[in-house]
Amino acid sequence: GQNIDQPTEMTATEGAIVQINCTYQTSGFNGLFWYQQHAGEAPTFLSYNVLDGLEEKGRFSSFLSRSKGYSYLLLKELQMKDSASYLCAVMDSNYQLIWGAGTKLIIKP
Amino acid sequence: DAGITQSPRYKITETGRQVTLMCHQTWSHSYMFWYRQDLGHGLRLIYYSAAADITDKGEVPDGYVVSRSKTENFPLTLESATRSQTSVYFCASRGGADTGELFFGEGSRLTVL
Repeated sequence: GQNIDQPTEMTATEGAIVQINCTYQTSGFNGLFWYQQHAGEAPTFLSYNVLDGLEEKGRFSSFLSRSKGYSYLLLKELQMKDSASYLCAVMDSNYQLIWGAGTKLIIKP
Repeated sequence: DAGITQSPRYKITETGRQVTLMCHQTWSHSYMFWYRQDLGHGLRLIYYSAAADITDKGEVPDGYVVSRSKTENFPLTLESATRSQTSVYFCASRGGADTGELFFGEGSRLTVL
């Protein structure tokens, strides 16, 4: 079966750095996506990785290791507005997105 | 304004009633999707459509019906609502088969009593 695992909840301090991990087992691989979802809102796209390595976009970076079935999202200089759920999704061989349950990130002052 | 919109945003209904959730996008995206989101679960795909008049089942299609007579509209109908269909429903679209970035509507929160 297809499976995406990520921690249910994480807590971090404003100004700090946090790493949210995602491991996956899917039928084929056509890329890994991270989305941000604030409470009561729709998910919004953060990043896309299809090749191994680190993709940096401002305060957010995403890393992929295809051989290990592993990705992480790194958030630097945390701000209160980063409090949200972070969803990991993998595009399988049929170009369908398989979603993890999401990681709720709580930022404390 | 360009975008993807859903209606209604909130709906309360009773078991056994028929409910239709509307989705409209102005980008002329080929692909459209309906997901449900429940606590403890990731987004689960109900139905998707690759183009007008082409629809396919997703992971959890039972109890739902879709149609796509026009590219811009993709309504989702619950033929006889059940309490287990209480959820938040998201419509989404993307431009191509392998274009992974999805654009989501605001969501429709449905409560079935």
